[in-house]
Amino acid sequence: TQLLEQSPQFLSIQEGENLTVYCNSSSVFSSLQWYRQEPGEGPVLLVTVVTGGEVKKLKRLTFQFGDARKDSSLHITAAQPGDTGLYLCAGERAGGTSYGKLTFGQGTILTVHP
Amino acid sequence: DVKVTQSSRYLVKRTGEKVFLECVQDMDHENMFWYRQDPGLGLRLIYFSYDVKMKEKGDIPEGYSVSREKKERFSLILESASTNQTSMYLCASSSLFRGGVAEGAFWGYTEAFFGQGTRLTVV
Repeated sequence: TQLLEQSPQFLSIQEGENLTVYCNSSSVFSSLQWYRQEPGEGPVLLVTVVTGGEVKKLKRLTFQFGDARKDSSLHITAAQPGDTGLYLCAGERAGGTSYGKLTFGQGTILTVHP
Repeated sequence: DVKVTQSSRYLVKRTGEKVFLECVQDMDHENMFWYRQDPGLGLRLIYFSYDVKMKEKGDIPEGYSVSREKKERFSLILESASTNQTSMYLCASSSLFRGGVAEGAFWGYTEAFFGQGTRLTVV
């Protein structure tokens, strides 16, 4: 059972378009993180959201944590070819001692064409 | 900057071989993890360790073991490699960020930092 459902799995767009990636679950998370991974490399942390309703911005990227801390979204404005990569959401389950274990979504492969 | 270093970028091993994947982190993190990444399946946790000599099974531990003799080093061992263990292996480390107290309860979160990955092919 996939605890974190990420959609869409593939996204192919033109430079300058906007896009949104979703990460949904029926479970509550104490925090949710977004990573970006390039081919042949490990994931790199983009942002962590910890408060329900929290919105964080990183240049053209906007991250939102749902009010109930069960879902999150990543919105990219005016996408550029340099945004191409695999985007992963990951959540730390609420309650108990998780030791920092993360549950990952399946990932979204984004391709931005010039 | 946090640095997590995996000993090999690419490995090719034969079926039945014993394989060691090494990971070292330089930020004094308590927690270390081994994941494997396969297309369409995302990252799946194999084993993790929250302290020296402590280890816990993740979601897919079968066919793997781990060793953590020192805080900075976490090794993944494939006792007898099989072709279905061909995959990208990712090591990560994390530490607890103490957020504070809210409504009388402590809260905090962790952030994971990954190595560059080891692409293992078993033939």
